[in-house]
Amino acid sequence: AQSVTQLGSHVSVSEGALVLLRCNYSSSVPPYLFWYVQYPNQGLQLLLKYTTGATLVKGINGFEAEFKKSETSFHLTKPSAHMSDAAEYFCAVSENTNAGKSTFGDGTTLTVKP
Amino acid sequence: KAGVTQTPRYLIKTRGQQVTLSCSPISGHRSVSWYQQTPGQGLQFLFEYFSETQRNKGNFPGRFSGRQFSNSRSEMNVSTLELGDSALYLCASTRQGSYEQYFGPGTRLTVT
Repeated sequence: AQSVTQLGSHVSVSEGALVLLRCNYSSSVPPYLFWYVQYPNQGLQLLLKYTTGATLVKGINGFEAEFKKSETSFHLTKPSAHMSDAAEYFCAVSENTNAGKSTFGDGTTLTVKP
Repeated sequence: KAGVTQTPRYLIKTRGQQVTLSCSPISGHRSVSWYQQTPGQGLQFLFEYFSETQRNKGNFPGRFSGRQFSNSRSEMNVSTLELGDSALYLCASTRQGSYEQYFGPGTRLTVT
């Protein structure tokens, strides 16, 4: 069984400030981890993924995340927030044998203040 | 390459009716997964199809069913609609050997 916990359903930052969205996971097998972004009335867009190898992964739009096995975490960061980053962000986990089945966190809504 | 397409984008149905939603994956992708997104329950996995066979199934009642055709297009059907079935239904396609899911824009179903 696998699960995802996103700490903080709402995060607010000022434009230019650091963005940190937290994600902890639980998985009985080595996990594959993902961050998605969803804009209003749209589907999910993959920001980045961790499967194997380097634990610091870089994604689109300046986002990156670090896989920390000891902490079962996969937090998403961006050094400098932009107004266009305002959206809902989802962390997800899947098993390496079930790529088509992901378990999602409840989502974090990011607000960027001017 | 065209993305994942879902039709219709919006749908209003009455309680007790049934509905069929369609999903066309990215060309070459053979896996199609379906998810239900609601404010209360978040994103929940419904089922996954690969090469016309259901490969995984989530914890939804039997009123929710799906199928996949030989061209990888998929449909999901919900029978005897309930008010609680109102949701955004998302489908995602995956290329074989990859772990990246590409999502469509979703179908917004409203049950009245």
